[in-house]
Amino acid sequence: DAKTTQPTSMDCAEGRAANLPCNHSTISGNEYVYWYRQIHSQGPQYIIHGLKNNETNEMASLIITEDRKSSTLILPHATLRDTAVYYCIVRTPGANSKLTFGKGITLSVRP
Amino acid sequence: DSGVTQTPKHLITATGQRVTLRCSPRSGDLSVYWYQQSLDQGLQFLIQYYNGEERAKGNILERFSAQQFPDLHSELNLSSLELGDSALYFCASSDTFSGNTIYFGEGSWLTVV
Repeated sequence: DAKTTQPTSMDCAEGRAANLPCNHSTISGNEYVYWYRQIHSQGPQYIIHGLKNNETNEMASLIITEDRKSSTLILPHATLRDTAVYYCIVRTPGANSKLTFGKGITLSVRP
Repeated sequence: DSGVTQTPKHLITATGQRVTLRCSPRSGDLSVYWYQQSLDQGLQFLIQYYNGEERAKGNILERFSAQQFPDLHSELNLSSLELGDSALYFCASSDTFSGNTIYFGEGSWLTVV
């Protein structure tokens, strides 16, 4: 699986949009971009994934650049409960396909 | 609630002992994954089973073993425990459909004293 690069940390104000960047310059054509988050010592929580089109669900939006070398996870109205480590992972879906976690980005939402 | 159930939630045991962690995947999910998270190592993939068969192996020690039963639940066995085995152990599951999205349980916290 291709590797990803994320900043170590960022913060944003409560109620504002949080834009979390991720670089995956070696992504291949059949690899998807997945985002998970982990709130202190809880199980990683699936957020969203996409191949090349932008995706939106009830939690977040995922914007993937046209060349697919980078993406941005957008939490439209961050709350204190969104404070967590966010992981951007590139993966080819399949029965034998695992998730390889990096260090992720720590998002701190301030009041 | 992801639908993945892990027991026990917390476990304290002595060095040299053996423990078994149990995982019930989401209903219908055929794949089960085990991960270890210690303070200084992050989330490390240990092993994956698919419909009862081992499919992938990661950084799993020889003292550790796992299996997936016909009812699809899985167990992770940790033996000859050392202090360094203290960690959170996560189980995850995925189905063959819906893009194989992987969902995690809440983990079993193992403390070796």
